[in-house]
Amino acid sequence: GENVEQHPSTLSVQEGDSAVIKCTYSDSASNYFPWYKQELGKRPQLIIDIRSNVGEKKDQRIAVTLNKTAKHFSLHITETQPEDSAVYFCAASKGRGGADGLTFGKGTHLIIQP
Amino acid sequence: DADVTQTPRNRITKTGKRIMLECSQTKGHDRMYWYRQDPGLGLRLIYYSFDVKDINKGEISDGYSVSRQAQAKFSLSLESAIPNQTALYFCATSGVGTDTQYFGPGTRLTVL
Repeated sequence: GENVEQHPSTLSVQEGDSAVIKCTYSDSASNYFPWYKQELGKRPQLIIDIRSNVGEKKDQRIAVTLNKTAKHFSLHITETQPEDSAVYFCAASKGRGGADGLTFGKGTHLIIQP
Repeated sequence: DADVTQTPRNRITKTGKRIMLECSQTKGHDRMYWYRQDPGLGLRLIYYSFDVKDINKGEISDGYSVSRQAQAKFSLSLESAIPNQTALYFCATSGVGTDTQYFGPGTRLTVL
């Protein structure tokens, strides 16, 4: 089955700096890669996603890049703000819209230092 | 997201008891999922369903069973709960033709 590795497990950055979280996946058939943000005590919420036919996607301060050859994808957050502090999860899936279910990385705890 | 609800939100039970966790959605989505979250392990897929007649095992289905009573309802059962099933359980839904999985608020289960 699919295996998703996520690094780092904890990331501390100064407010206003950029943060990068990296994930690798093992199954070359995976074609859908979402990123979820989970605040303490809350449910995971989708912040951005990318399909395998696209190399990069951006939404305001958040961007995701995908390298299918190397089987890795990354989340980039620019101009970080205190409200960006949370746990971030990457995931991978086959099938339309993650139909077969998502395989998650173990998460990155992002800490924004004032 | 109030469109996906889970009951109960918290439950404490004893080893050997049968437990049912329920998920309901008003999104009209066909696909429903159960995940388990443990500290430091992320979320892991237990079962998923494409419709009432289509149930599939996920990564960690042993010790669990599910029932899709209707398009809007998907229940997870622990036939005989054990302490290592203590975790946070999330239900999620997704619609045909859409990519996003929407998560419910979660059920915190403690097995003593």
